[in-house]
Amino acid sequence: NAGVMQNPRHLVRRRGQEARLRCSPMKGHSHVYWYRQLPEEGLKFMVYLQKENIIDESGMPKERFSAEFPKEGPSILRIQQVVRGDSAAYFCASSPSGNQPQHFGDGTRLSIL
Amino acid sequence: DAKTTQPTSMDCAEGRAANLPCNHSTISGNEYVYWYRQIHSQGPQYIIHGLKNNETNEMASLIITEDRKSSTLILPHATLRDTAVYYCIVRPGNYGGSQGNLIFGKGTKLSVKP
Repeated sequence: NAGVMQNPRHLVRRRGQEARLRCSPMKGHSHVYWYRQLPEEGLKFMVYLQKENIIDESGMPKERFSAEFPKEGPSILRIQQVVRGDSAAYFCASSPSGNQPQHFGDGTRLSIL
Repeated sequence: DAKTTQPTSMDCAEGRAANLPCNHSTISGNEYVYWYRQIHSQGPQYIIHGLKNNETNEMASLIITEDRKSSTLILPHATLRDTAVYYCIVRPGNYGGSQGNLIFGKGTKLSVKP
């Protein structure tokens, strides 16, 4: 079984550009979670989605950040007009239902020049 | 904020058992104890979870005290590849919405030494 796949593994953007991070959940998993890990800090929850619906976005910054999980295709975390402070590792996790363990991908490391 | 307390770091000799403690004195009756670990530059890896009974799988054992206020993760024969940060997390068993996410604390940095 393939695990949670995230791409790209590394992404470099200049300030003001857009960043798109992709996450393909494990087969059979319809729940997706995004977390951010700033340098030398722990993981912080951002958003929880279930096919075509945002369940909880309490951890998302109010501006520039959005997430989607369409009926077909991967979940996308989109960051518009990136700033240096957005530099972090972004991890995606998936689970088959809301009350089962989440399994994580290896993350996308976003660097802002 | 995380609802658990863990030692900042621990050392363990290769081949010996690693016992990682966790305090969760405010745990509620419907909250499970989850353990994850994060090896440098990788995503967190699920290890095990339990409610009140002790649990064992191919990776580890989880011992939960009778009052559920603390638990211990046991890696029976630690190897160098077990060097990682280990996170103890409490999470409701039946939930929707905001209770679904995991709240990571600082965890315990386990160093397995030859």
